[in-house]
Amino acid sequence: EAQVTQNPRYLITVTGKKLTVTCSQNMNHEYMSWYRQDPGLGLRQIYYSMNVEVTDKGDVPEGYKVSRKEKRNFPLILESPSPNQTSLYFCASSLPGTAYEQYFGPGTRLTVT
Amino acid sequence: AQSVAQPEDQVNVAEGNPLTVKCTYSVSGNPYLFWYVQYPNRGLQFLLKYITGDNLVKGSYGFEAEFNKSQTSFHLKKPSALVSDSALYFCAVRDRSNDYKLSFGAGTTVTVRA
Repeated sequence: EAQVTQNPRYLITVTGKKLTVTCSQNMNHEYMSWYRQDPGLGLRQIYYSMNVEVTDKGDVPEGYKVSRKEKRNFPLILESPSPNQTSLYFCASSLPGTAYEQYFGPGTRLTVT
Repeated sequence: AQSVAQPEDQVNVAEGNPLTVKCTYSVSGNPYLFWYVQYPNRGLQFLLKYITGDNLVKGSYGFEAEFNKSQTSFHLKKPSALVSDSALYFCAVRDRSNDYKLSFGAGTTVTVRA
């Protein structure tokens, strides 16, 4: 089954404790992206990657890091999480080209206390 | 800069009635436009998109949307709503001449009552 998977699905952590949210897709997509969803704000793009070793900032990259060492994986790293990073996070992937729709993972709900 | 506005936080309709979810956009160039739906505790699912050509595009689950360049709008429609259409709907835009940045609206919660 074609899918985007994220782990963990739920995470409660404390301020300053480094964490990684993994994202993996099995569709051989070149493009991958991370979003955060907050009430009243919709989805905001954090980082995206057009291919292996090629990443770029979205609208809200502060406090986040990403890496793209393999085509299928695109982990999101929070080196020192803060409470304002409490949110619902989605990973997405698509074929290359700006006309293609994205396939979304199930989401990771992160709470930083 | 590109942006999307969904002017209604909530839309309530009776089952069997027409459903419209409004979306207006702003881009410096020509747009690619998308609609996604999010059911409770799920990720977003693609509904339909406008790339070029016919201004009326048809998508999944009986939904359609009309691209209106002069009004910079891309409203989502369904002729006869079902209770199962109750969900959160997002409009998104990408500038063709820009990079891969995709901007979403704040979302509209649709409730269809039986």
